[in-house]
Amino acid sequence: DAKTTQPNSMESNEEEPVHLPCNHSTISGTDYIHWYRQLPSQGPEYVIHGLTSNVNNRMASLAIAEDRKSSTLILHRATLRDAAVYYCILRDVGETYKYIFGTGTRLKVLA
Amino acid sequence: DAGITQSPRHKVTETGTPVTLRCHQTENHRYMYWYRQDPGHGLRLIHYSYGVKDTDKGEVSDGYSVSRSKTEDFLLTLESATSSQTSVYFCAISVTGTSGTHEQFFGPGTRLTVL
Repeated sequence: DAKTTQPNSMESNEEEPVHLPCNHSTISGTDYIHWYRQLPSQGPEYVIHGLTSNVNNRMASLAIAEDRKSSTLILHRATLRDAAVYYCILRDVGETYKYIFGTGTRLKVLA
Repeated sequence: DAGITQSPRHKVTETGTPVTLRCHQTENHRYMYWYRQDPGHGLRLIHYSYGVKDTDKGEVSDGYSVSRSKTEDFLLTLESATSSQTSVYFCAISVTGTSGTHEQFFGPGTRLTVL
């Protein structure tokens, strides 16, 4: 299973953008990059995913490096409700079943 | 929330007793998963199912068994609970998105304490 590396924790000020990095140097051509987040005392929730091109949705943006060996989740204006653990996950398009979550990045948002 | 419920939500049991956790979904999704979450380990996949009576092992399957006799229910059983199985257990289902990829939706979790 392809692995990802994320910083253990990050801090951001409220209302400022946050860039959460993820390294995945062993990514294969068929791996999708997924981001999930887990709010306190809840199960993880989907944030965004991409394959090669940058992606935007109402929650965040995903910037994928040209060589796909790294990606960055961008929260454009952090709020206190964005304080969570963010997981970067690779999933092979042929591996329908399994997500390997890792330990993620704990984001702290300062008021 | 994709119609996922877990029962019980909290359970305290003693070492050596059998425990069964239930995951129920209302939308006939094919894929279901059981994870455990412990401090410092993130989420780890225990078992998953890709249809009725079709299951397979995940990363940390030792000491656990699963069954799926109907689409809506996925049961996780600890045959003889040990203190190392104290954890928060999450059930998830996988939904095919419009782009063809699969997104997972999680239940609220079951907090299990084995004394």
